[in-house]
Amino acid sequence: LAKTTQPISMDSYEGQEVNITCSHNNIATNDYITWYQQFPSQGPRFIIQGYKTKVTNEVASLFIPADRKSSTLSLPRVSLSDTAVYYCLVGDPAGNNRKLIWGLGTSLAVNP
Amino acid sequence: GAVVSQHPSRVICKSGTSVKIECRSLDFQATTMFWYRQFPKQSLMLMATSNEGSKATYEQGVEKDKFLINHASLTLSTLTVTSAHPEDSSFYICSGLGETQYFGPGTRLLVL
Repeated sequence: LAKTTQPISMDSYEGQEVNITCSHNNIATNDYITWYQQFPSQGPRFIIQGYKTKVTNEVASLFIPADRKSSTLSLPRVSLSDTAVYYCLVGDPAGNNRKLIWGLGTSLAVNP
Repeated sequence: GAVVSQHPSRVICKSGTSVKIECRSLDFQATTMFWYRQFPKQSLMLMATSNEGSKATYEQGVEKDKFLINHASLTLSTLTVTSAHPEDSSFYICSGLGETQYFGPGTRLLVL
């Protein structure tokens, strides 16, 4: 199972773009990269998922280089309500590697 | 779409009693559901993988006779904490496997 490494914490200000980078050097061929957001005492919320290149949805973008050994979650124009813990995970949702190994995540603090 | 509910959201029980937590996928069928436990300031820890119509697969160190899992339908999995003790107090979160894992809101268990 691929292990991920991401910064423990980050600070930002309202209106700024925030980029959180995650390393996953031993990602497997069938693995996807998924990012979740978690607020205190709530279940994780799916943000975005990708396999390669760039994926964009209404809340974030995910950049994945060709070697797939890292990925960057980009949150445009963050607000105070984006203060949360962000988790990067790799796994194959449809295969035997469906189990997701959770690290400590990145605690993002958005300041006014 | 991809909504998962949990019931109850909070439960307080006496030591030695059993508590059942329900996890439902509301708008998709989840052949596979996962159960996690999360202690304060820590990451999610996978307890077991629940497959509809078959026995759950437990992670190392998780007692299957203490944490009973039943996945009787494609939309419902239950976790029963038997003979609960104060050290079982935690935040229990389930997820349903669709295109990726979609999480419930969690259940806060406090054992007195």
